[in-house]
Amino acid sequence: DTGVSQNPRHKITKRGQNVTFRCDPISEHNRLYWYRQTLGQGPEFLTYFQNEAQLEKSRLLSDRFSAERPKGSFSTLEIQRTEQGDSAMYLCASSQASGLAGIDEQYFGPGTRLTVT
Amino acid sequence: AQKVTQAQTEISVVEKEDVTLDCVYETRDTTYYLFWYKQPPSGELVFLIRRNSFDEQNEISGRYSWNFQKSTSSFNFTITASQVVDSAVYFCALSEDTGFQKLVFGTGTRLLVSP
Repeated sequence: DTGVSQNPRHKITKRGQNVTFRCDPISEHNRLYWYRQTLGQGPEFLTYFQNEAQLEKSRLLSDRFSAERPKGSFSTLEIQRTEQGDSAMYLCASSQASGLAGIDEQYFGPGTRLTVT
Repeated sequence: AQKVTQAQTEISVVEKEDVTLDCVYETRDTTYYLFWYKQPPSGELVFLIRRNSFDEQNEISGRYSWNFQKSTSSFNFTITASQVVDSAVYFCALSEDTGFQKLVFGTGTRLLVSP
């Protein structure tokens, strides 16, 4: 399978615990994105990497959230001191910068569903 | 500020009916991009189409067609002869050409196609 993969697919944690999710993009893609989707809503942008550089962060990304892409390949999203409001589907997407101006087609992974009890 | 409105929360049709999903957007930019994604029950968002603001030609791909009208800020999606496999949540999304790659999604329209 050469699509975007995410692990784990499901995570149940107690409030106050830390969690980390992993995203493996499509191998030739140099851009990677994290979104959050709550029930009945569309995905909301969290952050974006080009190679290993984190170029944009949403104000939704509080200090408890941190994302990394250390070698420009896979990425991790960590949530510290989880709260019940963090319960959501966390989606990762990747794209290949075409070298032309414009917005890429983003290809999404299956998501990690987080439940904070 | 960017905003995407999908006023139809849920649509139910019987197989072989045509159905149109509405999308209205707001942006201050003259250069922007519009997208449609499909989210089947498995949860993975599937890319369907991207259009830029300078290309108002309608597009047809098999049973799918898209109508982009800048005058009404709409980018509507029509499925002809719907099938049960079309049942999913469909999202319209917008991105301004700011150099950043952020998609702003609508709240989605759930399409239920019954046999």
